[in-house]
Amino acid sequence: VNLVESGGGLVQPGGSLRLSCAASGFTVSVIYMSWVRQAPGKGLEWVSVIYSLGSTDYADSVKGRFTISRDISKNTVHLQMDSLRAEDTAVYYCVRYPWDYWGQGTLVTVSS
Amino acid sequence: DIVMTQTPLSSPVTLGQPASISCRSSQSLVHSDGNTYLSWLQERPGQPLRLLIYKISNRFSGVPDRFSGSGAGTDFTLKINRVEAEDVGIYYCMQATQFPVTFGQGTKVEIK
Repeated sequence: VNLVESGGGLVQPGGSLRLSCAASGFTVSVIYMSWVRQAPGKGLEWVSVIYSLGSTDYADSVKGRFTISRDISKNTVHLQMDSLRAEDTAVYYCVRYPWDYWGQGTLVTVSS
Repeated sequence: DIVMTQTPLSSPVTLGQPASISCRSSQSLVHSDGNTYLSWLQERPGQPLRLLIYKISNRFSGVPDRFSGSGAGTDFTLKINRVEAEDVGIYYCMQATQFPVTFGQGTKVEIK
């Protein structure tokens, strides 16, 4: 099992980024997949989940701004992040349920 | 949301000596299915987060038996039997009993 995130970088407040999580060793369509983030000097915060049937959930702090999705053909999960704020600055981790495998993380920095 | 509180936040340990980390939840973590979804994660420099223990006391695949978990209800403990140099890092408890998943603040284990 391996999870590799990509797509992080520096973006201005109000901007957008799309994170990707390429999975191998299992199929993303049959398992819950989540994004968890860690702001600098802060703890871990759950962000979003996509369930095996395709429904989704979000933390209140990102609801309406972030969208999780998956591309079964590429075995990849995405996190579309819009209307980014400074407080969204964090390392974003892709995680497989039941929380047994984590990606190495991708850094998102929101700053002017 | 369930609040997870870890103590201590820092634990200097002598090599070969035991270490213990406590985690307390603001509500019982017993799920309606009878399971208690309390896990322990390890963060080592340059490495992805690693699942050590799940459902209080079950070691994940490949985890050395010097790691053990115990507890019930709202109080849980992670013990490292004899600390080795590779155990240096930050340890997090997390609960997946109630949505959303929440994490402790992390405990830094370092060598004296």
